[in-house]
Amino acid sequence: QVHLVQSGAEVKKPGSSVKVSCKASGGSFNSYAFSWVRQAPGQGLEWMGWIVPIFGTIDYAQKFQGRVTITADESTTTASVELSSLRSEDTAIYYCASVLYEKRGTTVTKFYLDYWGQGTLVTVSS
Amino acid sequence: QSVLTQPPSASGTPGQRVTISCSGSSSNIGSNAVNWYQQVPGTAPKLLIYNNDQRPSGVPDRFSGSKSGTSASLAIGGLQSEDETDYFCSAWDDSLIAVVFGGGTKLTVL
Repeated sequence: QVHLVQSGAEVKKPGSSVKVSCKASGGSFNSYAFSWVRQAPGQGLEWMGWIVPIFGTIDYAQKFQGRVTITADESTTTASVELSSLRSEDTAIYYCASVLYEKRGTTVTKFYLDYWGQGTLVTVSS
Repeated sequence: QSVLTQPPSASGTPGQRVTISCSGSSSNIGSNAVNWYQQVPGTAPKLLIYNNDQRPSGVPDRFSGSKSGTSASLAIGGLQSEDETDYFCSAWDDSLIAVVFGGGTKLTVL
């Protein structure tokens, strides 16, 4: 069972960038995949992307392409997400989660988020 | 506008059985497994059902999931006051190459 602890709340200006980290403990870091999901105030869940550290593969949701970077550092067992060109609509709680998945060939058929971090509030305000 | 469609609210009385629906398309629910998450306001979501009908360890068997075609359902039997919270469905979408979520259903125990 993996335990995920995220970095603290951030307040950012429009146009700036934010990086949120997620430290994993319990088990082998490279045996996990990690995903990032955000939730705007009073809204639903929005998937941002995922990384499979052992394969070095990263996929981003189309909405965030060009603005988001997901990384993973095995030496610190930490996954991170960086979002640039921030705007007020990016104000949200950002969650990391560990991923379990299956593929048929190159196509994902099963994908679920089994453990979640506590969430990090990012506020974008001038 | 969420890719998966859930009713915004549902309700039931203690002890009752309630179901929450999740409607999608051939590129998501029709092709891939459905998962359900429970979220108590102010806390992170928790995996409730995975791969259509599997319960993680520790989830009571009052919770069950099913899928048929491009729709899925979460059933909660023997409703309890602690079940009053938000529920989200999700699945992988082959066209978007992304995880998609439903808009969430707020369950009220009357």
